[in-house]
Amino acid sequence: SAVISQKPSRDICQRGTSLTIQCQVDSQVTMMFWYRQQPGQSLTLIATANQGSEATYESGFVIDKFPISRPNLTFSTLTVSNMSPEDSSIYLCSAVRGGGFTDTQYFGPGTRLTVL
Amino acid sequence: AQSVTQLGSHVSVSEGALVLLRCNYSSSVPPYLFWYVQYPNQGLQLLLKYTSAATLVKGINGFEAEFKKSETSFHLTKPSAHMSDAAEYFCAVTPPNQAGTALIFGKGTTLSVSS
Repeated sequence: SAVISQKPSRDICQRGTSLTIQCQVDSQVTMMFWYRQQPGQSLTLIATANQGSEATYESGFVIDKFPISRPNLTFSTLTVSNMSPEDSSIYLCSAVRGGGFTDTQYFGPGTRLTVL
Repeated sequence: AQSVTQLGSHVSVSEGALVLLRCNYSSSVPPYLFWYVQYPNQGLQLLLKYTSAATLVKGINGFEAEFKKSETSFHLTKPSAHMSDAAEYFCAVTPPNQAGTALIFGKGTTLSVSS
């Protein structure tokens, strides 16, 4: 298995500011992803964090709003920029270790963000 | 496009009763299917997964799920509910033969267990 930690675990931020969330995996992984879980909703994929290159964003998410970095095989950051109350969500990092079709995707504990 | 439907946003059972959480997928080609559990204020934990081997999949904590292609379903069951099973359960899919791709999640089902 893979152990994933996220920092911060929660934060309360003011409108218009930015927050960077860190995701650390205890061992090298092939794929890393960022999801958003809005209140009472399911998880929605924001982007795939690519090591050494720009992230791949899903429809409805843009790099200017959610810049992502992945400098190595165990670490990634997600920044939520120019925040508004609609960005209040839980942000989860996940990782897949292998390259096989059936490799398990492991999740971090999430970062609970509240924007005032 | 792949999608997942979880019937029933909230299921309530008594301790010791059967747990049945429903999941249907929409795809012409059977995907890989997963059930995750999320306890309050925690991340997601994998319960079990179907990857085109046995259609009856056994997972952790006494849960199991059966893949039924004819019904495009992957319902999660547990014979006897325990108070500690109270949590949010998510069914998820990933397209077959796509290594390490992101998951598509259902809306989730909240399981409540009463004594």
